[in-house]
Amino acid sequence: SAVISQKPSRDICQRGTSLTIQCQVDSQVTMMFWYRQQPGQSLTLIATANQGSEATYESGFVIDKFPISRPNLTFSTLTVSNMSPEDSSIYLCSVEIAGGPADTQYFGPGTRLTVL
Amino acid sequence: GQQLNQSPQSMFIQEGEDVSMNCTSSSIFNTWLWYKQDPGEGPVLLIALYKAGELTSNGRLTAQFGITRKDSFLNISASIPSDVGIYFCAGPVLSGGSNYKLTFGKGTLLTVNP
Repeated sequence: SAVISQKPSRDICQRGTSLTIQCQVDSQVTMMFWYRQQPGQSLTLIATANQGSEATYESGFVIDKFPISRPNLTFSTLTVSNMSPEDSSIYLCSVEIAGGPADTQYFGPGTRLTVL
Repeated sequence: GQQLNQSPQSMFIQEGEDVSMNCTSSSIFNTWLWYKQDPGEGPVLLIALYKAGELTSNGRLTAQFGITRKDSFLNISASIPSDVGIYFCAGPVLSGGSNYKLTFGKGTLLTVNP
């Protein structure tokens, strides 16, 4: 597995502002993913972040709202832009480890976002 | 898209009891993953299954990859209070070209009464 950290662990933000969430991994990973988990719900993939290329977004998620950076093999950021209360969720990054089993992801601890 | 039907939605059991939960799909999966999520934490991978018929244990946890490749179950034996949490099944589905993504079941909320 890998040690994955996220910053911040939680935040309370005002409507209309933006928040950037960081995901750091202690080893090089091939693929990084960003998920949203709304209260009491399962996980929904926002986008796949590959190093050196544009992120690939799932239906219902757009780059203007959720810009993603992946500057190297151990780090990624997700920005939640122009926030509204509907964006209150847990945001999770996950990774697939280079050389590890395919299709297997390990998750960070999550960032709990509350938008007022 | 491919969906995972996870049941039961919730379970309320006494400490020491065994627990069983399962996931089914109308589509074939090549991998089944079982995660546990504690309150305020990210999901933790419990067991990964890669071969039809595979039966894998992790301590008191046992999971099986169904022969049809359309289902999987997770058993917990002799439950303890720290087993409390939400259990998710997940499997990879294609997402545009050769990329894949994980699709998740809706989760099973387990409560263990001491």
